[in-house]
Amino acid sequence: KQEVTQIPAALSVPEGENLVLNCSFTDSAIYNLQWFRQDPGKGLTSLLLIQSSQREQTSGRLNASLDKSSGRSTLYIAASQPGDSATYLCAVTNTGGFKTIFGAGTRLFVKA
Amino acid sequence: DARVTQTPRHKVTEMGQEVTMRCQPILGHNTVFWYRQTMMQGLELLAYFRNRAPLDDSGMPKDRFSAEMPDATLATLKIQPSEPRDSAVYFCASGLRVSGELFFGEGSRLTVL
Repeated sequence: KQEVTQIPAALSVPEGENLVLNCSFTDSAIYNLQWFRQDPGKGLTSLLLIQSSQREQTSGRLNASLDKSSGRSTLYIAASQPGDSATYLCAVTNTGGFKTIFGAGTRLFVKA
Repeated sequence: DARVTQTPRHKVTEMGQEVTMRCQPILGHNTVFWYRQTMMQGLELLAYFRNRAPLDDSGMPKDRFSAEMPDATLATLKIQPSEPRDSAVYFCASGLRVSGELFFGEGSRLTVL
């Protein structure tokens, strides 16, 4: 059974700092890994999708990496801004059944 | 602007009442997921469909929950009878099998008194 863990659970940083969010998964037989952002009271917004054959994806100040063999992914946010404050969730889609399982998320607060 | 649409956005009901939540997936998407989000449990997968066929509903309490896709433009999640512990935000998401990217609706916030 796939389990997804995100560390840290919460993070507070000053504006401008670079930061890394971590995601680990127990079953390496994945189809893809996706990072989402969720603002309070809102739905989830897809940030980056990494296919199992890829090592990383970049979008603006965001960079996500994937190491399937070790069961890890990181989301790197450069030059953080107060608008980045949100909960960031990692989701893994397994091969075969294509079931998508989420981690508990990392709540990020960027102080102005 | 293609998006997943969920109704109702908010629902307050009394214990024992039937609740039906609806989802319109993005046109052309053939995979639909239902998730439940609570502070304690986070996002839990309840059920998912591919080409309208249910693939897995092992996350749902079978005695009170049911999920269906009457057609390609509508997915429903029904709770009967509802209980206070069902209070949560229910999300629908749709996607294409090839890319696997998921797109979420805004959610239906359910409060059972």
